[in-house]
Amino acid sequence: DTGVSQDPRHKITKRGQNVTFRCDPISEHNRLYWYRQTLGQGPEFLTYFQNEAQLEKSRLLSDRFSAERPKGSFSTLEIQRTEQGDSAMYLCASSSSYNEQFFGPGTRLTVL
Amino acid sequence: AQKITQTQPGMFVQEKEAVTLDCTYDTSDQSYGLFWYKQPSSGEMIFLIYQGSYDEQNATEGRYSLNFQKARKSANLVISASQLGDSAMYFCAMRVSSNDYKLSFGAGTTVTVRA
Repeated sequence: DTGVSQDPRHKITKRGQNVTFRCDPISEHNRLYWYRQTLGQGPEFLTYFQNEAQLEKSRLLSDRFSAERPKGSFSTLEIQRTEQGDSAMYLCASSSSYNEQFFGPGTRLTVL
Repeated sequence: AQKITQTQPGMFVQEKEAVTLDCTYDTSDQSYGLFWYKQPSSGEMIFLIYQGSYDEQNATEGRYSLNFQKARKSANLVISASQLGDSAMYFCAMRVSSNDYKLSFGAGTTVTVRA
């Protein structure tokens, strides 16, 4: 069990560019979550997958954001036309039951 | 909507002493779960402990224990015998209902352990 992994760990981009992040959950975890955390705040829920189905999206997830989980394994989060307000830590978590969520190390995005 | 409140922005504790981190929550659901996470400066969220709303016993995991007072809607984390490595941000989080797994987090409490 290698834990949840995320790639890249850091991303610096210019405003208007597209970025894509990847999350590999703990193997056999059927639930996968994306959260966003800004400086000094707790994480905020973005979206949730059960297997390959995206079951819920927060209103924080604007039309510029899209997430996928093909084949119910890894997941990608894409942000199109990035804005400075998108700068944050993007956290991925996975679980196999209701009483746990294990987080990855996060991807820190800086939009210049 | 559910809400988590952590009223202590920062705390100092002497090494080897115990520290209590406050967490209150608000929900109308009868079935819910409470989590505590540690986030060191590296940024990773480390799961510490879980308490279910129907659990009769307070949860314990090593030096971590959760003081669950359901009537007061509080779920305080107690860290015993503090170590320098406990210096970090600590978040309380809640999920509500058996079909909604997403977590709602508090604003966090920064703990600094002094030698």
